[in-house]
Amino acid sequence: AQKVTQAQTEISVVEKEDVTLDCVYETRDTTYYLFWYKQPPSGELVFLIRRNSFDEQNEISGRYSWNFQKSTSSFNFTITASQVVDSAVYFCALSEASGNTPLVFGKGTRLSVIA
Amino acid sequence: DAGITQSPRYKITETGRQVTLMCHQTWSHSYMFWYRQDLGHGLRLIYYSAAADITDKGEVPDGYVVSRSKTENFPLTLESATRSQTSVYFCASSDRGTYGYTFGSGTRLTVV
Repeated sequence: AQKVTQAQTEISVVEKEDVTLDCVYETRDTTYYLFWYKQPPSGELVFLIRRNSFDEQNEISGRYSWNFQKSTSSFNFTITASQVVDSAVYFCALSEASGNTPLVFGKGTRLSVIA
Repeated sequence: DAGITQSPRYKITETGRQVTLMCHQTWSHSYMFWYRQDLGHGLRLIYYSAAADITDKGEVPDGYVVSRSKTENFPLTLESATRSQTSVYFCASSDRGTYGYTFGSGTRLTVV
């Protein structure tokens, strides 16, 4: 069975600090997809990134970066120089090989960035 | 406008009543999903559908019914609402080719 664990329930940082959100997953599939979503206070789910299991390159998008390590089954998300607008709940999710099977979500990490 | 829309955005209903949450997508995506979001549980899958007239249970299907007579619609019905079904419900769709998932804005349901 698939499982996603986000061990950090809540994190609080001061603006401009760097913060890393952890995500550990379990799956028996050799091909799978990993996702991160952001849920701001307004409530919608905003897609951030999708990564397939064959692509272990780290990705950077502005202040956001993702570290995918198959050896430790982790897909961690780092925000550099955090801003108040980064305050949100962040979800890590996993889907099986076909890519259209249901997403399995972690329980989320609530990030509060204090000015 | 293209997209995925959920209605209503907010709903208050009484225990025992039947309520239907609507989900409509304009892309003709094959796959559609219903999730509920509760504090401490993240998002949990209720039902999903791979195509019209094909549905399957998720992690928490009890008390819910779905149908999919048309590709673009995937309504979720609570047959007899209970307080434990108070939650935020999200609908999502995905396309066979792109492996992307798009979520609706959610329906906040309160059962009193």
